[in-house]
Amino acid sequence: RKEVEQDPGPFNVPEGATVAFNCTYSNSASQSFFWYRQDCRKEPKLLMSVYSSGNEDGRFTAQLNRASQYISLLIRDSKLSDSATYLCVVNRAAGNKLTFGGGTRVLVKP
Amino acid sequence: GAVVSQHPSWVICKSGTSVKIECRSLDFQATTMFWYRQFPKQSLMLMATSNEGSKATYEQGVEKDKFLINHASLTLSTLTVTSAHPEDSSFYICSARDGGRGWTQYFGPGTRLLVL
Repeated sequence: RKEVEQDPGPFNVPEGATVAFNCTYSNSASQSFFWYRQDCRKEPKLLMSVYSSGNEDGRFTAQLNRASQYISLLIRDSKLSDSATYLCVVNRAAGNKLTFGGGTRVLVKP
Repeated sequence: GAVVSQHPSWVICKSGTSVKIECRSLDFQATTMFWYRQFPKQSLMLMATSNEGSKATYEQGVEKDKFLINHASLTLSTLTVTSAHPEDSSFYICSARDGGRGWTQYFGPGTRLLVL
């Protein structure tokens, strides 16, 4: 079983719609969680950290469910520029090493 | 914000040659840098952790003698792919941790390596 698993997608989303997807992690001792965004042939860029109580940043909302070991990302009012691969990232229990999921591809269409 | 640069951005080389990739933190000091590799349609895989002034820590399955890492200063880490072969062709990305900003890692723009 992979440490961090994501639905690869693609999620085809009409512009203006809402899309949500999850990520599961296997290490119950994981401490920090992040969503990164990666555009084609570019480096990952931090979208947002995920806090235990859930957090929102503009149109993006992240949730953490420790009991079920998953995190989620919801994008409201999707823009064409939201088209990207969203990487679920979890820190390992030991040290500051990050483990990346395979990414969920989102395609926002007009 | 924290800026990390990589050089070169892309390189094409012949099989058997060595390639050096530089990773620099431009506006902060990074005691720890990380090297990742990403093959097409796959996720980033951590290769090694580079610690300033000490030996790098390699992930399981990564050959330390093939991927030489040097972290000689708080702003520079280098990865040398020795005797590169076509299967080493990949997207190499470094990241640096800014101790003043918690656990966040900032990524360089990556280096595309193509070995012919």
